[in-house]
Amino acid sequence: DAGVTQSPTHLIKTRGQHVTLRCSPISGHKSVSWYQQVLGQGPQFIFQYYEKEERGRGNFPDRFSARQFPNYSSELNVNALLLGDSALYLCASSTRDRGPDSPLHFGNGTRLTVT
Amino acid sequence: AQSVSQHNHHVILSEAASLELGCNYSYGGTVNLFWYVQYPGQHLQLLLKYFSGDPLVKGIKGFEAEFIKSKFSFNLRKPSVQWSDTAEYFCAVSLGGTGRRALTFGSGTRLQVQP
Repeated sequence: DAGVTQSPTHLIKTRGQHVTLRCSPISGHKSVSWYQQVLGQGPQFIFQYYEKEERGRGNFPDRFSARQFPNYSSELNVNALLLGDSALYLCASSTRDRGPDSPLHFGNGTRLTVT
Repeated sequence: AQSVSQHNHHVILSEAASLELGCNYSYGGTVNLFWYVQYPGQHLQLLLKYFSGDPLVKGIKGFEAEFIKSKFSFNLRKPSVQWSDTAEYFCAVSLGGTGRRALTFGSGTRLQVQP
């Protein structure tokens, strides 16, 4: 079975540009979450979507936005990129938006470098 | 806001040695606790989780963790490590009661097992 797929795998952008990262959840999973992992740190929660509705938002500026589509795939958008946005962006999916019987399954991530 | 501390940043063990990785969290309410592992070149995978019930939780690959509420701890243990356990280990917490997906991760512990 295909796991969580993210595209692109690597991306280089310049300060001030905009970026869109994409995520396809595991088939049957209706919840998608996004995390940012800066080198040397653990992942930090950005957003959670379930059935196309935002269910949670972490402590990130409004430059970060996301959406979920009818097929449950998701996009993370970051505007006005800063050097500090350089990180590994992880997508995770689950069958439901909560509960012990619905663990998160992570993708391999998109490595974003801002120069 | 809750936080998670992993005091061991880098641990080096010989095969067959016993392992204990520390994890402490700061939140006075009900929590859900997780340990994730990231093998070299692979995505984050769930090792084990605690939501309620028996505070001694058994996970995959012979790992276990004990939730000690009075100490705000959820340490990971394995009696005898193998070279294939070389990986980065992350402890994570989410607020209990809802089991919501907003995980707060620790900064990780890099485990190196020498043959």
